[in-house]
Amino acid sequence: GAGVSQTPSNKVTEKGKYVELRCDPISGHTALYWYRQSLGQGPEFLIYFQGTGAADDSGLPNDRFFAVRPEGSVSTLKIQRTERGDSAVYLCASSSEGNSPLHFGNGTRLTVT
Amino acid sequence: KQEVTQIPAALSVPEGENLVLNCSFTDSAIYNLQWFRQDPGKGLTSLLLIQSSQREQTSGRLNASLDKSSGRSTLYIAASQPGDSATYLCAVRPADYGQNFVFGPGTRLSVLP
Repeated sequence: GAGVSQTPSNKVTEKGKYVELRCDPISGHTALYWYRQSLGQGPEFLIYFQGTGAADDSGLPNDRFFAVRPEGSVSTLKIQRTERGDSAVYLCASSSEGNSPLHFGNGTRLTVT
Repeated sequence: KQEVTQIPAALSVPEGENLVLNCSFTDSAIYNLQWFRQDPGKGLTSLLLIQSSQREQTSGRLNASLDKSSGRSTLYIAASQPGDSATYLCAVRPADYGQNFVFGPGTRLSVLP
């Protein structure tokens, strides 16, 4: 079946603007994760959903970042008042129950000018 | 707090060589460890997942081992090929810190024809 889909693949925005990044997980996967990756580094955890609820949002850097998953499938990561330091690749991953592998999308490259 | 390191940061080998990539983690209380491959501009592709109760997993030319007590995992690649060139990342799911994976910075592998 289809893998994890992320849109857009690239997003350029001006400092101070609002952006939304979308993730469509593998069908049937209840767990959904958002990570952020800067050049030359490993992914950094942002938030984890189990079903519709955010089970762990300890990685969100500040209150400008927010994510939702209203129907337990598609998730949207929302960033308000973007700053140049928010520039990174935002990765989404999903997995089924239990100790199962993470499956990643290709990411959204966000550039804040 | 769990921390994951990977050595070396970069590795260049001639085609056909066998090679070992190393991953170390500071807290041995983990659920599992996963190895990923990342091609430039792409998301992460899952290679192998080792549960905490397992010692190793094999897939084709890849073999991953886990020594939980010493906080180490290795990824062995046999008969390397130019198509193996990519960044390899390991990630651990801590047992005590929720459901998110903690990633290492990766090893950038170049296999020269």
